[in-house]
Amino acid sequence: EPEVTQTPSHQVTQMGQEVILRCVPISNHLYFYWYRQILGQKVEFLVSFYNNEISEKSEIFDDQFSVERPDGSNFTLKIRSTKLEDSAMYFCASSPGYEQYFGPGTRLTVT
Amino acid sequence: AQKVTQAQTEISVVEKEDVTLDCVYETRDTTYYLFWYKQPPSGELVFLIRRNSFDEQNEISGRYSWNFQKSTSSFNFTITASQVVDSAVYFCALASGSRLTFGEGTQLTVNP
Repeated sequence: EPEVTQTPSHQVTQMGQEVILRCVPISNHLYFYWYRQILGQKVEFLVSFYNNEISEKSEIFDDQFSVERPDGSNFTLKIRSTKLEDSAMYFCASSPGYEQYFGPGTRLTVT
Repeated sequence: AQKVTQAQTEISVVEKEDVTLDCVYETRDTTYYLFWYKQPPSGELVFLIRRNSFDEQNEISGRYSWNFQKSTSSFNFTITASQVVDSAVYFCALASGSRLTFGEGTQLTVNP
């Protein structure tokens, strides 16, 4: 069964550094998403992406964040100048239309 | 604004008991979708079910069943004859547009 994959599974970075989180969505899906989950809290929407552009973003998704689909398979989230409060699990999801299928997540730790 | 409330923070049951997880939502949209996701200790989010706002027919799938009541804005989830492997955090979520709005989650612990 096709799955969303994410790399790396765990990323440790120093405050102020840039990180790129990578996702490979399910191949025939058209809609892509990033969410984050701070430890012990609920899952929060960051951004949705369709037809090579952002279709919706949350208040969390400020200028520090960007997304890209550099080729036909990858979907990336870039965080410039990371802060301590960016430490969280970041989930990528893809959807054929309605239900969203999530990847296993990347745990980002900012020290 | 969308809001999902899962009033039960934690539930603990003994194996084979039935358990119902509550979910109440708020939205001004007439068309929306409701979801349940399971997050086991390994951390991934597993899609369980989707319901749209026009379909109030309740569903049973094996040991899982869902009760959608638009009049009370509730979308409750019942596990029959719970098993230890059901232990996880369960999230209710609402979609209107592209984003999913999640509830706070209910930690279910099934003890042997």
